[in-house]
Amino acid sequence: DTAVSQTPKYLVTQMGNDKSIKCEQNLGHDTMYWYKQDSKKFLKIMFSYNNKELIINETVPNRFSPKSPDKAHLNLHINSLELGDSAVYFCASSETRKVFTLHFGNGTRLTVT
Amino acid sequence: GQQLNQSPQSMFIQEGEDVSMNCTSSSIFNTWLWYKQDPGEGPVLLIALYKAGELTSNGRLTAQFGITRKDSFLNISASIPSDVGIYFCAGDQGAQKLVFGQGTRLTINP
Repeated sequence: DTAVSQTPKYLVTQMGNDKSIKCEQNLGHDTMYWYKQDSKKFLKIMFSYNNKELIINETVPNRFSPKSPDKAHLNLHINSLELGDSAVYFCASSETRKVFTLHFGNGTRLTVT
Repeated sequence: GQQLNQSPQSMFIQEGEDVSMNCTSSSIFNTWLWYKQDPGEGPVLLIALYKAGELTSNGRLTAQFGITRKDSFLNISASIPSDVGIYFCAGDQGAQKLVFGQGTRLTINP
């Protein structure tokens, strides 16, 4: 059973398009996150949600809009994609206030051409 | 934003050698964590450190939380081929926000 699953694994699209990445966790965690890993492998938090409520919103362009329909799902929608958005996006989840329980998905590699 | 300085950036070693990598910060962290990332996968937690001075082992891995709470190291003893990957340190700033180091890419020659 996959603990944190995200789809698709690969996403290739053209500049200006809108795309979504879906994430689901079956660990019963209350907090979910989106991280971005750039070409140099640097990992940076983008958003976190706790029980469907936005907790962390780093300085991410408002073209990125996370949506959490329930505490087991956190989707990421990106409007007007730009070349610089190319990266690997990781969904993760954890128990509330227990960051050591953080569990990552296997990533979505987004390539914008 | 805040970053952790992780070194070395890459290591090329022979199988059986010991490995050491470290992370430093200008800020204090409450918790230090070490992760490993294999190609095509997400980072996986190796060791979590909660108290200054704490020394924790997980099999061949040993990590320490620095006394000043601004640094941590990870040692791997008697490396084997499956140790290949990218190792990340991470510090917990509170509010469930982790700051990651730049990673150490470990390559092992058989």
